[in-house]
Amino acid sequence: GAVVSQHPSWVICKSGTSVKIECRSLDFQATTMFWYRQFPKQSLMLMATSNEGSKATYEQGVEKDKFLINHASLTLSTLTVTSAHPEDSSFYICSARDSARGTYNSPLHFGNGTRLTVT
Amino acid sequence: DQQVKQNSPSLSVQEGRISILNCDYTNSMFDYFLWYKKYPAEGPTFLISISSIKDKNEDGRFTVFLNKSAKHLSLHIVPSQPGDSAVYFCAASEGGKLIFGQGTELSVKP
Repeated sequence: GAVVSQHPSWVICKSGTSVKIECRSLDFQATTMFWYRQFPKQSLMLMATSNEGSKATYEQGVEKDKFLINHASLTLSTLTVTSAHPEDSSFYICSARDSARGTYNSPLHFGNGTRLTVT
Repeated sequence: DQQVKQNSPSLSVQEGRISILNCDYTNSMFDYFLWYKKYPAEGPTFLISISSIKDKNEDGRFTVFLNKSAKHLSLHIVPSQPGDSAVYFCAASEGGKLIFGQGTELSVKP
């Protein structure tokens, strides 16, 4: 099956520093990847759509300068949380759709998430 | 504004019985619906989906029903097994972008 690898699985950083999270599709190519954020006991909130070779599309209320997304290849997207603050502490999950499936409604495959704690 | 809602945060079912998880949505432009299963500290795993032009899709123990006029879908698991215990999210797609409900935590007791 399609595997999405996300790294790191957890990270603790000091306030004011930046953290990079990687999302890789291991056995398929993904023109589009999606970044979600989940607070405890809440839904997965879509943050942005990452498009290979072009700028990401951010959802309303998500600061593009704070959450930098780069999708440099068909198998890798990165999310960088810049100048992190304690309120950025959350569970970040990436997902990808197999470009070869040909339909925008084929299921998304999710990584295992990154638990970010900002102290 | 929550476009996809799962109004039951939790559900407890006896092993072997049917589990019914419900989901309501407000956006009539959604054209595809999916159910995902999630364990703590892991990403969601795809279970089953249904196109908006259908009203039922079945895959083994899992069946999804869609009532477009009521903007309601449900996931039936029968028979329920202890290994089904997890958080279940419904998701709706508009142009490939998935919007998730809040999740329902299912507990299947032996």
